[in-house]
Amino acid sequence: AQSVTQLDSHVSVSEGTPVLLRCNYSSSYSPSLFWYVQHPNKGLQLLLKYTSAATLVKGINGFEAEFKKSETSFHLTKPSAHMSDAAEYFCVVSLTGANNLFFGTGTRLTVIP
Amino acid sequence: DTEVTQTPKHLVMGMTNKKSLKCEQHMGHRAMYWYKQKAKKPPELMFVYSYEKLSINESVPSRFSPECPNSSLLNLHLHALQPEDSALYLCASSQVAGTNTGELFFGEGSRLTVL
Repeated sequence: AQSVTQLDSHVSVSEGTPVLLRCNYSSSYSPSLFWYVQHPNKGLQLLLKYTSAATLVKGINGFEAEFKKSETSFHLTKPSAHMSDAAEYFCVVSLTGANNLFFGTGTRLTVIP
Repeated sequence: DTEVTQTPKHLVMGMTNKKSLKCEQHMGHRAMYWYKQKAKKPPELMFVYSYEKLSINESVPSRFSPECPNSSLLNLHLHALQPEDSALYLCASSQVAGTNTGELFFGEGSRLTVL
């Protein structure tokens, strides 16, 4: 079985400070892992993906994530938060050849001016 | 063109109405998906079409009826819905079925309210 756990339902940071959104995964096989972002009343957009290549993955808008197999983690980071980063972030796992994505429960990021 | 277009953006319907949600993509993707998203919850998969054939139905009630007329279009026909079906319905597409091979492209969703 595969699943993801997002450890924080809400994270609040000041503009210009680092962002850390935490995700742990559970998978019987080698997973593919993703971070998606959803701005209010919008669809989801892929930030970055890990598919068994480099463990440090760089995405759009300055975000990156590191796959740590020993810790079963895939935390999302950004050095400096921008107001436009305020959104809902979903950590997602998928299996090779699978047609489904398994979503975490989401983390709402608030950026304080 | 990297867009998935969904219409209508908002829909209000009564429990006896018949309506449809539409989704269109022109990226040459051969897999298309319907997701349902309730407020403050993650999206839940409803249906997957692969090469215009239904490949996954996640035990969705028959009052939701998907249709894939061609590789660019995906419809969701709605009939005799319940108020608890009110949600944001998201359409997505990917190059091929098997989501880990690439990203899913999501539309902005159709917000459905059932009275």
